[in-house]
Amino acid sequence: NAGVTQTPKFRILKIGQSMTLQCAQDMNHNYMYWYRQDPGMGLKLIYYSVGAGITDKGEVPNGYNVSRSTTEDFPLRLELAAPSQTSVYFCASSYSLSPGQGYNEQFFGPGTRLTVL
Amino acid sequence: GENVEQHPSTLSVQEGDSAVIKCTYSDSASNYFPWYKQELGKRPQLIIDIRSNVGEKKDQRIAVTLNKTAKHFSLHITETQPEDSAVYFCAAFSTNTGNQFYFGTGTSLTVIP
Repeated sequence: NAGVTQTPKFRILKIGQSMTLQCAQDMNHNYMYWYRQDPGMGLKLIYYSVGAGITDKGEVPNGYNVSRSTTEDFPLRLELAAPSQTSVYFCASSYSLSPGQGYNEQFFGPGTRLTVL
Repeated sequence: GENVEQHPSTLSVQEGDSAVIKCTYSDSASNYFPWYKQELGKRPQLIIDIRSNVGEKKDQRIAVTLNKTAKHFSLHITETQPEDSAVYFCAAFSTNTGNQFYFGTGTSLTVIP
């Protein structure tokens, strides 16, 4: 059971380049999330998904796109990278979001450190 | 949307002393409040959580209290140890603007041996 995995661990992009950050979980979680963490700041939600085929915007979605074709995978796409997207990106998953329905714990991946120059 | 404020941003305590970190939230519909510990270069990990129908929860040296009326919740760590040194984040889960977690900006805790 690998939990939540992310690739790559590190990446340097030039302004205007594109890339996809990969995220996968093997816990059969229905909810998945993408966060960015800027230095000295908390986590900001970029996009989330409540199941395959369903995605929704978080607090800071501009400049990003996601897809969820399977329960396991939730890739994050950066188009036209900008220096403002320099950050650490965390993917997370959870079984349920409703306190009354059971387990809410979010499990985080190890993160991807992205630098845009 | 929800706004979560966290204080203090840095906290230093002597080993064995207690540490308290406080968070306030704005959305009365928020109903779940987790606390995460993040060691340097590592991923956040859940250490304790509390639901809105509970006022206090304890797990060994860690406790969380929730005051729904005042919209604030606090993390209490007793008998601190050097391995407690990390950044701690509070979060609030709100269904008002979609099912989202809103995080505080973190508290860097240093436990001095």
